[in-house]
Amino acid sequence: EVQLVESGGGLVQPGGSLRLSCAASGFTFSSYEMNWVRQAPGKGLEWVSYISSSGNTMYYADSVKGRFTISRDNAKNSLYLQMNSLRAEDTAIYYCARWWSSGWYSSFDYWGQGTLVTVSS
Amino acid sequence: EIVLTQSPGTLSLSPGEGATLSCRASQSVSSSSLVWYQQKPGRAPRLLIYGASSRATGIPDRFSGSGSGTDFTLTISRLEPEDFAVYYCQQYGSSRWTFGQGTKVEIK
Repeated sequence: EVQLVESGGGLVQPGGSLRLSCAASGFTFSSYEMNWVRQAPGKGLEWVSYISSSGNTMYYADSVKGRFTISRDNAKNSLYLQMNSLRAEDTAIYYCARWWSSGWYSSFDYWGQGTLVTVSS
Repeated sequence: EIVLTQSPGTLSLSPGEGATLSCRASQSVSSSSLVWYQQKPGRAPRLLIYGASSRATGIPDRFSGSGSGTDFTLTISRLEPEDFAVYYCQQYGSSRWTFGQGTKVEIK
C-alpha cells in the first residue's frame, strides 16, 4: 500500500525557517517524481515545488522561489521541503504528492495527509 | 501561466441528481494533462479523472470527464451522499502545475 506521511509542521514566526519531511513507503520511491502542494485555510490547492526522481531537477512556484528548497534522499525514501524567510501567507497545510506519469498521461496519484504550517508572531 | 477557472463556485443539489462542473483554461491545454480531484473536509485530495476522461482506479462510473482545448467538464450522473465534496481541476505544462479554484458540491 502506497503511503506518504508528512511531518515537521508547526508554529513559526515570520522570517523563520522550517523543514518538512515526507516519508514514503509501499512503492519504489526512487522511480517517482514528487511534489509539494499546499492549501491555505479555507482556500484552494496551490502547487509549490517539484523534484525529479533522481533529484537533479527542481521547479518552484513563483511565490516560493528563492525561499524554499525541495530535496530528496532516495536511500531513505524521503522527500523534504526547506522553508526559509517564512511569511504569513505561507500558512497552509502542506501535502506531499506523488507525480505519476505514463509518458502520455500524468497526475498526482497519491497524497499524504498533510502537515500544518502556521506563520504567526 | 495557464489559469483554470471553475464554475459554478457552489452547486446545491439533492442526492440522485446529476452534476455538471466546468473547468475553463485561459489558453489551450493538452487533454492528456487535464486532471480532476475530489476533496472532502479534513482530507487530502483524491485523484478522480486523468487525461481529461480516464477514471482513476476504483472511481465509480457515475463520474465522467470530457472536453478539449480550453473547456473541460466533470459530470456526476447521480449524486451519492459521499459525492458531496469540493472538486478541483488541474493541468500541467511548461514546468508549472496549476489548479482551478474549486467547485463545492453541497447538499440542497
